[in-house]
Parts: sequence; structure tokens; C-alpha cells
Amino acid sequence: SQTIHQWPATLVQPVGSPLSLECTVEGTSNPNLYWYRQAAGRGLQLLFYSVGIGQISSEVPQNLSASRPQDRQFILSSKKLLLSDSGFYLCAWRQGNSNQPQHFGDGTRLSIL
Amino acid sequence: AQKVTQAQTEISVVEKEDVTLDCVYETRDTTYYLFWYKQPPSGELVFLIRRNSFDEQNEISGRYSWNFQKSTSSFNFTITASQVVDSAVYFCALSEYGQNFVFGPGTRLSVLP
Repeated sequence: SQTIHQWPATLVQPVGSPLSLECTVEGTSNPNLYWYRQAAGRGLQLLFYSVGIGQISSEVPQNLSASRPQDRQFILSSKKLLLSDSGFYLCAWRQGNSNQPQHFGDGTRLSIL
Repeated sequence: AQKVTQAQTEISVVEKEDVTLDCVYETRDTTYYLFWYKQPPSGELVFLIRRNSFDEQNEISGRYSWNFQKSTSSFNFTITASQVVDSAVYFCALSEYGQNFVFGPGTRLSVLP
């Protein structure tokens, strides 16, 4: 069966520090991968998605970036965090077609001080 | 363009009451897919159900039931005999063919003992 792992679960970082969140999927190949952000008490905002290695699409301009160095690895990064980057970050995968559901990781709670 | 509306921001019910969560969508496609997700306080999103645009049969799974009506572009979710464990944020989502998900803003359900 397929599983998705996302870490760390919680992160507290100072303003201006770098960020790296990692997400890996097991049990499938060539998944579509997604990064979402959820502000406190709000809905889901799609940040990036990837349909293959090295293929990244950005939905929202910001100081975050994403990379997909391997088929089942998706990384969210920042060189300098802003206060507004605080939130709950969720990684998700789905297998190809539009009729398939997205499956989510447990999320990372990021607090910027 | 795709759009999902969940007009109920927050709902509170007492345990054992029935509750219906509304979802209204907009799409120009004839082929699309609808989904419901549950986000408990722990944060992860749990996939509940998928429905395609060609299947208007209602579905029941235990205490959960879903009513899909293309005529009103609605995909409502009913919980019968609610329980405290049903307390969560519930998201409705739409996926057109070849497109990413569009999530609604979510409905926060509180079931009081």
C-alpha cells in the first residue's frame, strides 16, 4: 500500500532563517506531488505541484521554492523565512488522473518568530 | 473556471443530532470529480469519498451519506446521529479533467456532548 511521509511535524524558526521541508511517498511510482499551506483557521492554498522529476509548477508567487530531485521526493524550501510564512504545510500525492483523490501527509506546523 | 462554495463556516450540534454540510460547485466541464475530506484537530486530511459527474447515485457509508445533484450543482454531506469524534473541518473539492483540485473553504463542525 502507498504511504506518504512528511517531516518535521513541528518547526520553530526565526525570521530570515532558511527552511527545508521534506515529503516522500512509498508504494507508487510517478505520482503527482503537491505542497499546500493552510493559515490558522483557513482553507488550503496550493503552493506548488509536480508531475515528474524536475518539473515544478508554482501557483502563488512567494519566497518559497520547491524541488523534486527524485520521483517520490518533494522538498519545500526557503532561503529567508518571513513572518507571513507561518502556517500548516501539507504535502499530498495522487496517481495521475483527475478522478483520483489526493492523499495527504500529516503536515508540518511552522512557526516563525 | 472551477469554484467550490461551502457557505457554512461553522456548525455546532449536540451529539446524536443529524447534520448536513453543504457544498456547491461551479464548472463548465461535463466530466469532473467531487471529493469530501475530513480534517480532525490533529491536522491531517482524510479522504472520505469521490463521486464522478456521471454518477448521481447517492451513497451511504455507515452514518455518512452523500447527496449529489447535478441540477443544483450540489454535493451535500450528511452525518446521522453525530458523535463527538465527528468534530473536524470538512472540505469539499472539485477536480476537472486534467486540472488540479479546487478546495472549498471548509466547514468547521463541532459536536457537543
